[in-house]
Amino acid sequence: AQKITQTQPGMFVQEKEAVTLDCTYDTSDPSYGLFWYKQPSSGEMIFLIYQGSYDQQNATEGRYSLNFQKARKSANLVISASQLGDSAMYFCAMRTSGAGSYQLTFGKGTKLSVIP
Amino acid sequence: EAGVAQSPRYKIIEKRQSVAFWCNPISGHATLYWYQQILGQGPKLLIQFQNNGVVDDSQLPKDRFSAERLKGVDSTLKIQPAKLEDSAVYLCASSLEGGAGTDTQYFGPGTRLTVL
Repeated sequence: AQKITQTQPGMFVQEKEAVTLDCTYDTSDPSYGLFWYKQPSSGEMIFLIYQGSYDQQNATEGRYSLNFQKARKSANLVISASQLGDSAMYFCAMRTSGAGSYQLTFGKGTKLSVIP
Repeated sequence: EAGVAQSPRYKIIEKRQSVAFWCNPISGHATLYWYQQILGQGPKLLIQFQNNGVVDDSQLPKDRFSAERLKGVDSTLKIQPAKLEDSAVYLCASSLEGGAGTDTQYFGPGTRLTVL
């Protein structure tokens, strides 16, 4: 069974500092993808970054980077230079294949609060 | 480019009543997903369509939930009759292809359902 674990229910970070949000996963599928989404209080899930299981380099998108450690089955999100607008829920998700479809399994999320 | 549209944004009903949600995906996106997000949890896939065919509905409670995607564009999700435990945010997402590789799911703002 596919499983995503986010062990930090809530995190605080000072504005302009960097923060790491943890994500570990479990799958027996050799091919998978890892995603991070941001969910502000408005409710919409906003795509941030993607890492494929065969990608050699860690993914980066602007202030977001994904620290992918395949042997440890971890895919932590690093946000550099935090801004007040980064305050939101953050979800890690894993895409695996099954029965002809590609399904996203989400973790329970981490609530990030940026302090001015 | 317009994002995924959903309506209504909020709905309050009494148990045993019926309710329907509407979703219009990003133009040209072949795959449409409906998720249920209960408070404090990550989204859970209910059903996935590719064009106007169902790809995966293994987690859809078929005794009360139904969904359709006529003409392969917009979609409706119906609950009949609603139970208290159906209180959740219902998220619609779409992706360009079938969800494999780097194909990313883009989400709408969601419909927050409260069942009294």
